[in-house]
Amino acid sequence: QKEVEQNSGPLSVPEGAIASLNCTYSDRGSQSFFWYRQYSGKSPELIMFIYSNGDKEDGRFTAQLNKASQYVSLLIRDSQPSDSATYLCAVEMDSSYKLIFGSGTRLLVRP
Amino acid sequence: GAVVSQHPSWVICKSGTSVKIECRSLDFQATTMFWYRQFPKQSLMLMATSNEGSKATYEQGVEKDKFLINHASLTLSTLTVTSAHPEDSSFYICSGLAGGGNEQFFGPGTRLTVL
Repeated sequence: QKEVEQNSGPLSVPEGAIASLNCTYSDRGSQSFFWYRQYSGKSPELIMFIYSNGDKEDGRFTAQLNKASQYVSLLIRDSQPSDSATYLCAVEMDSSYKLIFGSGTRLLVRP
Repeated sequence: GAVVSQHPSWVICKSGTSVKIECRSLDFQATTMFWYRQFPKQSLMLMATSNEGSKATYEQGVEKDKFLINHASLTLSTLTVTSAHPEDSSFYICSGLAGGGNEQFFGPGTRLTVL
C-alpha cells in the first residue's frame, strides 16, 4: 500500500514567521511531488511541484525534496493570515499521473 | 492557467435516485480526467481515471456499476452516482490533465448530499 503521511496539525504560527510543513512517502520510486493548498469547502489549488532533490523556490514558498529520506517539505516565509488553510502533499504513482494525497496539515497563521 | 468547471456545485437528492456531475475543461483539452472523493476532514481519494474515448479505470474498492464515468470528448467527463445512498454524501472533485504535462487542474468540486 503506497502511502503519503502528513501531520494533521494544526500548526499555529504568528504572522510573519516561517511555517514548515512536512511530508513522507513510502514509494521509493516516486518521481514527482506536489503541494496543494485547500481552503475549507474548496477544491485544492497547486502551490508548486518538485521533481529533483534539493530546494525549489517560488516567491514566499520553498519546496524541499530528499529522495534518499523519502521526505518532502514546504516552507512558507512571511506567513500571512490568508495562508491559513490545509496543505496537501501529493505524490505521483508509478509515473501514471495518478496522485496519492496525504491527509493534509492544517496551518493557522495568527495575526 | 487552465480552468476546469464542475456542474452542479452542490446537489441534494433523495436516497435511491441518480445524480450526474459534469466536469469540463474550459480552455484546454484534457486527455485524461480524474475523479476524486473527499469526506469531511479527510484527504482526496482517487476514484477513477478517465481517458477520452475509452473505459474508465477504477481504483480498488470503487464500484464501477455505481459510479458511472463517461469521457465522451476532450473537454467533458461525467460522473453519475447511481442509486445514491446517504453514505455517498461527499465532496466530488474532478481534475484534468493536459497533454504533455503531469500537472492536474482541479475543478471547484461538487458537494453531494443524499437524504
